[in-house]
Parts: sequence; C-alpha cells; structure tokens
Amino acid sequence: SQTIHQWPATLVQPVGSPLSLECTVEGTSNPNLYWYRQAAGRGLQLLFYSVGIGQISSEVPQNLSASRPQDRQFILSSKKLLLSDSGFYLCACHGTSGTETQYFGPGTRLLVL
Amino acid sequence: LAKTTQPISMDSYEGQEVNITCSHNNIATNDYITWYQQFPSQGPRFIIQGYKTKVTNEVASLFIPADRKSSTLSLPRVSLSDTAVYYCLVGDTGGFKTIFGAGTRLFVKA
Repeated sequence: SQTIHQWPATLVQPVGSPLSLECTVEGTSNPNLYWYRQAAGRGLQLLFYSVGIGQISSEVPQNLSASRPQDRQFILSSKKLLLSDSGFYLCACHGTSGTETQYFGPGTRLLVL
Repeated sequence: LAKTTQPISMDSYEGQEVNITCSHNNIATNDYITWYQQFPSQGPRFIIQGYKTKVTNEVASLFIPADRKSSTLSLPRVSLSDTAVYYCLVGDTGGFKTIFGAGTRLFVKA
C-alpha cells in the first residue's frame, strides 16, 4: 500500500517569505498526486493535481505553485507568502486499486505571521 | 463532478447507531460514492465505497437507493473515538479529481 511523507510537519513563516513543502510517495508508481489546503474548521480545497512528471493543473488562482520533478515527488511552493496562506496542507495520492480512493499524507500546518 | 450535500453536524451518544445521509442529485452513471473520515490535524482516511445497493465492511455500511441520488453512511455502535468529520464524495473510477465538501462533523458523547 501507498505511504505518503510530508515535511515539515509544522512551519511558521513571516509574510513575504518563500515556501517549499515537499511530498514523497512510496509503494506505487506513476500516481496521481494532489495538494489540498484546509482552513481551520473547514473542508478541503483542492489546489493542484498532477498526473505525471512535469504535468501540473491548478484548480484555484493564487500565489502558490506546484512542481513534480520526479514520479513520486510533489512540491508546493510560493515566492512570497500571504497571511491567507496559513492552513493545513495535505498531499494525497490516488490509489492504485482502480477505485476512486485517495491516500493522504500527515499534512503540514503552516502559520504565516 | 457531482456536488454533494451533507448535514453540517450531528450529535450522538456512545453505543448508538449513526446514519449520515448525503445528497448527490447529479450523480453520473460512472460515479462511485466514497466516504472519508478525518480527525483533527490528520489527513482524511478512506472508510467505504459503493456504487449501488448496500456495501458493508468492518467499519461501516453504505446504503445506496436505486436512483443513487443519495447515500447513507451507517456507523454501528459509535464510540467517543468516532468523533470526526465525515466526507461524502462522488466521482468516477477513471477520474482523478476529488471534490471535498464541508463534511459532517459528528460529535459522540459519553
């Protein structure tokens, strides 16, 4: 089964600073990968998804970007963080069982001050 | 992608059966119905998935009527540890985008 690693687990950054969150996946090849953001007490907002190396689709306009330099690596970045970027960031992998299930990483809690 | 509607929150007591209903009027022929559970500061976790009629696993049951415009997640004999947010999602097996709604926040009381 798939295992998803995310780091860091928590991050406190000043407004205007850059961001790089990393997600790596084990136990599968050529997965679909996703970045979600969750504000406190809210549902998950899909930010980006990727069906392969170098292939990124953005779901919402924002100051974030994503990259997939390797098959099982997905990176979320920002050049200048905003206060509104605070939240819980989750990386997810589409399961390989053929059914529409996703596996989620442990998440990164980002606080922008 | 079909939109889903769930109650915002529900309360229950330990040992009771909890049923959470989700509406998905625009479900497509190829769409499956999947439920996830999320605890605070954790990623959602798959609970159960179904296409029609009834599906049961060691955690829950999923009831889907013939028209598939709704589904009900049934949690038997809940415990305090079942307090979580439960998400209902609809999508096809070949798709790769999953839209999470606000979910249902279940509170289980002693």
